[in-house]
Amino acid sequence: NAGVTQTPKFQVLKTGQSMTLQCAQDMNHNSMYWYRQDPGMGLRLIYYSASEGTTDKGEVPNGYNVSRLNKREFSLRLESAAPSQTSVYFCASRNTSTYNEQFFGPGTRLTVL
Amino acid sequence: EDQVTQSPEALRLQEGESSSLNCSYTVSGLRGLFWYRQDPGKGPEFLFTLYSAGEEKEKERLKATLTKKESFLHITAPKPEDSATYLCAVQRYSSASKIIFGSGTRLSIRP
Repeated sequence: NAGVTQTPKFQVLKTGQSMTLQCAQDMNHNSMYWYRQDPGMGLRLIYYSASEGTTDKGEVPNGYNVSRLNKREFSLRLESAAPSQTSVYFCASRNTSTYNEQFFGPGTRLTVL
Repeated sequence: EDQVTQSPEALRLQEGESSSLNCSYTVSGLRGLFWYRQDPGKGPEFLFTLYSAGEEKEKERLKATLTKKESFLHITAPKPEDSATYLCAVQRYSSASKIIFGSGTRLSIRP
């Protein structure tokens, strides 16, 4: 099992460029998440998907869009990148059994110049 | 609005010096409270889930407890390898898929 995978690992964009961050999980989890983490801070929820076909806004959704392509994949799109979106982005999926825990990917480090 | 506040922001301890990290929360209808560990450059790793006030969970040198307003992560006789950022997160009954995190406590253990 690969767990949660994210691509790319690193990305540098210019202001105004667009890009899509990819996330996939092989644990058959229903719920998936996108968070951002800024230096010295915790995780802030951008969007989440409770199940295939549904998406909901989190704490900081402005400037982002998401697609739950199928049960495995959940992508995050920046339509017009801004320097304020420079951050580390983590994707997660959640096991809804006993411990209800989230499994996180390795992160994507994004710099917007 | 759900709120999760962790304190202190940073904590430096000597090896063997026990202490506690705090996570206070304001959540309407708490379903679960989670603790994660995060090493530099990596994604968070799950430690514990607590569901009800009075519940306790233990793993090696860590013990997590839960009251109606806060949770504590107690670290007993820590070792340098316990150095990491510890994050807590909350989940509501009314929106069980939405998981909100606190800002974390950076723990450093000196040998």
